[in-house]
Amino acid sequence: KNEVEQSPQNLTAQEGEFITINCSYSVGISALHWLQQHPGGGIVSLFMLSSGKKKHGRLIATINIQEKHSSLHITASHPRDSAVYICAGGRYNNNDMRFGAGTRLTVKP
Amino acid sequence: DSGVTQTPKHLITATGQRVTLRCSPRSGDLSVYWYQQSLDQGLQFLIQYYNGEERAKGNILERFSAQQFPDLHSELNLSSLELGDSALYFCASSPTGWIGTGELFFGEGSRLTVL
Repeated sequence: KNEVEQSPQNLTAQEGEFITINCSYSVGISALHWLQQHPGGGIVSLFMLSSGKKKHGRLIATINIQEKHSSLHITASHPRDSAVYICAGGRYNNNDMRFGAGTRLTVKP
Repeated sequence: DSGVTQTPKHLITATGQRVTLRCSPRSGDLSVYWYQQSLDQGLQFLIQYYNGEERAKGNILERFSAQQFPDLHSELNLSSLELGDSALYFCASSPTGWIGTGELFFGEGSRLTVL
């Protein structure tokens, strides 16, 4: 079993829809990153979470430490949100970050 | 623009050869991380340097090595290249020494093709 698992693997939405991407992680992971990888390949860090909830524009990330689960939400989705979203987890004081397989999001106009 | 610069952007070479990938971190960032992204394995952590010293090691092959110089730029050396080394190599920088306390800033990646 992978230490970080994402679902769904692929997601297609219509412009304007509310989107949720899920990430489950194993015991011991104490920091979670959400990354966005554009079709051209570049990676952008969206959030780093160890507890609670963070919001940036139309993006919201939450983490539930007891359930070892994090979600990335996109409100009012737009075609420019089309990308691969990757969650990645790190253990306390350990930089060997483990990556999920990614969720490929396509937002259609 | 993340402020992290990677060169070269693309590199094509032959099996058995050696290449060097270069990363300049954001101004002031002390940590440099190297990651490999291949089609079959996804993203994997290779190695981290913090202020010139190796801090953490992941799935880095013995044929690969890295270093961080006094000006904080880093180089990843890949030798005796094999077809399976074809991948995107990313570096990321961070102001802190642990991924749980600082945001990561990624470079655009170096795409290595081994023929």
